[in-house]
Amino acid sequence: EAGVTQFPSHSVIEKGQTVTLRCDPISGHDNLYWYRRVMGKEIKFLLHFVKESKQDESGMPNNRFLAERTGGTYSTLKVQPAELEDSGVYFCASSHPSLAGTTYEQYFGPGTRLTVT
Amino acid sequence: LAKTTQPISMDSYEGQEVNITCSHNNIATNDYITWYQQFPSQGPRFIIQGYKTKVTNEVASLFIPADRKSSTLSLPRVSLSDTAVYYCLVGFQTGANNLFFGTGTRLTVIP
Repeated sequence: EAGVTQFPSHSVIEKGQTVTLRCDPISGHDNLYWYRRVMGKEIKFLLHFVKESKQDESGMPNNRFLAERTGGTYSTLKVQPAELEDSGVYFCASSHPSLAGTTYEQYFGPGTRLTVT
Repeated sequence: LAKTTQPISMDSYEGQEVNITCSHNNIATNDYITWYQQFPSQGPRFIIQGYKTKVTNEVASLFIPADRKSSTLSLPRVSLSDTAVYYCLVGFQTGANNLFFGTGTRLTVIP
């Protein structure tokens, strides 16, 4: 079974530019999550999709970040315009349709390292 | 907010059993306790999850006392490949106010 994949693995952009990160969850996983870790800090939750619907986007830092999951399959996270403080590693995770007690059994991708210069 | 407290780092020799304890004094009734492992340049990997008493799988055991205010991840006979950061998470619903990774415990296994 293929795991969660993310593209690109690394992106270097200049301040003010736009970057789009992609996540392909495990097939059949309705739940998709985005997280990020900025330098030296903890992994922080960004948002949660259930199929194509945003279940919770309370962790999104501001309106420069836009996440989509058209068709309920892969998801994209766009940062526009990028700022220096957006640098970090962006992780995507997916999980099976929710069962009691398994909300946190998430499968993470390898992450996309974003560097804004 | 069910925050957790773990030791920042631990060292262990190969072949030993390692126990990592996590404190979560304000755990809620519906909260589960979940442990993740993370290697450098990889995303976190689910290890084990439990609600109370003891849970065991092929990788680890999780011990949870009756008051659920702490939990202990037990790794039997660690090897060099177990060197990683281990995160304890407490919660049920995802969301910025409920999913908190913390700094984790950096385990170093020594030959």
